[in-house]
Amino acid sequence: RKEVEQDPGPFNVPEGATVAFNCTYSNSASQSFFWYRQDCRKEPKLLMSVYSSGNEDGRFTAQLNRASQYISLLIRDSKLSDSATYLCVVNNWAGSYQLTFGKGTKLSVIP
Amino acid sequence: EAQVTQNPRYLITVTGKKLTVTCSQNMNHEYMSWYRQDPGLGLRQIYYSMNVEVTDKGDVPEGYKVSRKEKRNFPLILESPSPNQTSLYFCASNPAGAEDTQYFGPGTRLTVL
Repeated sequence: RKEVEQDPGPFNVPEGATVAFNCTYSNSASQSFFWYRQDCRKEPKLLMSVYSSGNEDGRFTAQLNRASQYISLLIRDSKLSDSATYLCVVNNWAGSYQLTFGKGTKLSVIP
Repeated sequence: EAQVTQNPRYLITVTGKKLTVTCSQNMNHEYMSWYRQDPGLGLRQIYYSMNVEVTDKGDVPEGYKVSRKEKRNFPLILESPSPNQTSLYFCASNPAGAEDTQYFGPGTRLTVL
């Protein structure tokens, strides 16, 4: 079974803190990787794609280590509005289209 | 406005009563998918479609049917719902070759008594 495992959480951090989420995936043939954000009872929304070279979008940095089958998301200077569940997502493309979602890590940023 | 719509948003039904959850997208996307989300289990793919008349099973297809007769619509059919199908369902779409631009619908909360 192709699994995506995430830190169980929850993470409760003060405003301004830096927080890191980790994710591992079991299928070495996985092609592409993403972080999604999901607010309570709402639909998931793409936060960022994850590239081998690492990528940054403002306060958010994503890293991919293919050798270790490991993905990370770093959030700097946490804001109250960052409170959400963060989903690690892997595309196991192999002639078909199947996204595998991690169970998510809940983040609460506290004033 | 580019969007994925689902109907109904909330539904309470009884075991065995056939139901359909509709999904429609106005972005001319080739790919559409259905997911269910359960506490502790995360999002799991039920079925997906790569184009009209092309559908395939995801991770948890048992008890569900889908059809893709038109590009914009991808209904999810529960022929004989059971309580273990109580869940939050999401439909999603994206253009071919662009899985990083997946759009999700707002979700349908289904309760089967």
